[in-house]
Amino acid sequence: AQTVTQSQPEMSVQEAETVTLSCTYDTSENNYYLFWYKQPPSRQMILVIRQEAYKQQNATENRFSVNFQKAAKSFSLKITDSQLGDTAMYFCAFMKLGVGANSKLTFGKGITLSVRP
Amino acid sequence: GAGVSQSPRYKVAKRGQDVALRCDPISGHVSLFWYQQALGQGPEFLTYFQNEAQLDKSGLPSDRFFAERPEGSVSTLKIQRTQQEDSAVYLCASTHRASSGSGDTQYFGPGTRLTVL
Repeated sequence: AQTVTQSQPEMSVQEAETVTLSCTYDTSENNYYLFWYKQPPSRQMILVIRQEAYKQQNATENRFSVNFQKAAKSFSLKITDSQLGDTAMYFCAFMKLGVGANSKLTFGKGITLSVRP
Repeated sequence: GAGVSQSPRYKVAKRGQDVALRCDPISGHVSLFWYQQALGQGPEFLTYFQNEAQLDKSGLPSDRFFAERPEGSVSTLKIQRTQQEDSAVYLCASTHRASSGSGDTQYFGPGTRLTVL
C-alpha cells in the first residue's frame, strides 16, 4: 500500500513571494505518477501539476514547479510570484501505474495555504 | 462540454435515513471514481467504474454503501441507514480513458457535503 505524507498543516506567504509545500510518500512501486491538486474554499479540486516517476526532469507549469527526488521519495511544490487566488488547500497525490492498477489516487492530508495581500 | 457535476450539493440526513448522491461525469468519459473526504482530511478512494462495470469497490467502508453506473454514464452512490461517521464530502471524478494504470488526469466534481444528524 502507498502512503502520502504532508506534515505541514498550514502555511502563509506574502503576495508576490515564493513558497514551497512539502510532500513525501512511501511505495514499493517503480512506475507511478505524482500530482498536486488545489482545492479552493467551497470549490472543486483542480489539477495543478503532475510528474511521471520515470522522468528525471522536474515538471513545470507557469508559476508552479516541482522538486521530485525519487530516491528520497520527496515531491515538493514551489509556487513563485504568489497570488491571492492561490489561497486554497493543496493536496499531494500518488497514482500507481501498470497492469492491474486502476488509477485511483492516494492523497495526503493536505496543506492550507494562505496568501496575504 | 461541461465539467463533472454532482447533486445535491448539500444533504442533511437524520441518522438511519437512506441517501442517494448523483454524479454526472464529463460526456464520453469512460472511468468514474468516488472518493470520501472527511473534514480537514484528504479524499479517500471508495470505488471505481469502467463504463458500467464496477471494477474496484475495495474502499467502500461498509455494506451500507452501494454504488452503481447502469448505463455507463451517470453514477449514484447510495448510503443506507446513515450514521454520523458518514458525514463527509463525497467527490466524484472522471477520466477519458479506461484507467488501467494509464495515469490520466482525474477531473473532479464540486462534491456533495453530507451531514448526518
